[in-house]
This record gives sequence, C-alpha cells and structure tokens, in this order.
Amino acid sequence: QKEVEQDPGPLSVPEGAIVSLNCTYSNSAFQYFMWYRQYSRKGPELLMYTYSSGNKEDGRFTAQVDKSSKYISLFIRDSQPSDSATYLCAMSVSGGGADGLTFGKGTHLIIQP
Amino acid sequence: NAGVTQTPKFQVLKTGQSMTLQCAQDMNHNSMYWYRQDPGMGLRLIYYSASEGTTDKGEVPNGYNVSRLNKREFSLRLESAAPSQTSVYFCASSEAVGARETQYFGPGTRLLVL
Repeated sequence: QKEVEQDPGPLSVPEGAIVSLNCTYSNSAFQYFMWYRQYSRKGPELLMYTYSSGNKEDGRFTAQVDKSSKYISLFIRDSQPSDSATYLCAMSVSGGGADGLTFGKGTHLIIQP
Repeated sequence: NAGVTQTPKFQVLKTGQSMTLQCAQDMNHNSMYWYRQDPGMGLRLIYYSASEGTTDKGEVPNGYNVSRLNKREFSLRLESAAPSQTSVYFCASSEAVGARETQYFGPGTRLLVL
C-alpha cells in the first residue's frame, strides 16, 4: 500500500461547480499537509498549507484535514477554467528537511467553460 | 527575483552518457531539494541539502550524485545515464517560518535517456 493515495482522474466539471479533491494516507506521523497546483509543463506551486487537523480557507479554496480518518480534502468553490491543472497533495512528518515531502500522484482537474 | 531556475529545460542522452542538471535560487534559502516526477509515481525525493556543504539521500538516490556548490546552487549529476532515469526533474528550495516550511519549485528539466 502506498503511503499516500490520490485518484489521478481526470476529473471534469462545469465552470462554477464546487470541486472536491481528496487524499488518504497511512502514516499517522504526518503532521503537515499541503496542496500544490501544477500546470502542464510547469513546476508545482504551493496552494494551501495546514498543520495537524482542522480547516483552512483562502479565497475560493478550503483545505480540510481529518487525522483520525487519515483523510485530507481540498474544495474549490466557483471553479474557473483557469483552475484546470493537476493538484498534488503532499505531507510531511517534520515539515520538510531530510524527510522531504511525500506526494500523492496528483489529480488532473478539467473545468469546462 | 527569478525564484528557482533550472538548466537545461530539456535534454536527450544516450545510455551511458553523463550530464549535470543545474539549479539555482535567489531567495537566500538554506534548504534545497531534487525530485523526480514520473507518470503514475508522483514526485519522489532524490537528494536533499540542508545547507552549503551538506547533503542527504532521499527516497531514490541510486544512480545520482549531488553537489551543493554554495548557498545558491545545487546540482544533480548522472554519471552513467540509464533509460530508467528518463523523467522530469524538479529542484526546490525552502524557507522555514516558525514550524512551517514552504518549498518553492523550479520549472523542471525534462530528460530522455535512449
């Protein structure tokens, strides 16, 4: 079993819809949880950062962490065609360093105009 | 402020050839990383450097060497390239603000080994 599981998609939704992206993980020691967005042929860019359990909201984006279920989510409200990208979840025990980040495979999201 | 830059953008090698991937950051970060990204595998850590002169192996270090030349630059070397090293390579640097560490990625180097 992989440490981090993420459905690769593609996930196709109409513009304006609410998008839900998810990851599950097996390592209970993970404490830092991130979502990265990666456009085609570009490097990943940090979108959301959460420590431990709880919710975090930033504009149209909401990140949720449920450590008891080992489950994290990213919600995108009022989705736009510019949100079309691959979304990678990432997590870490210590925040970085020699542990680096453990990434999911990424979910390819398509927002249809 | 260019962030993290990588050269070359694209490279084709024959099996057994060597090459060095270059990475530089202008954000005065201490930590730098090399990842590879493969279809169906996600991003995997190759090597990490906490500061100038120090390096540590990541998840998939075999077949690679690294050099942290100074605070700005972190290079990745393939001594004898193999087809299994065909991948997209990303360099990253990070800053820590309290307990939070944010990694910033470069645009990547696409490597094809024939």
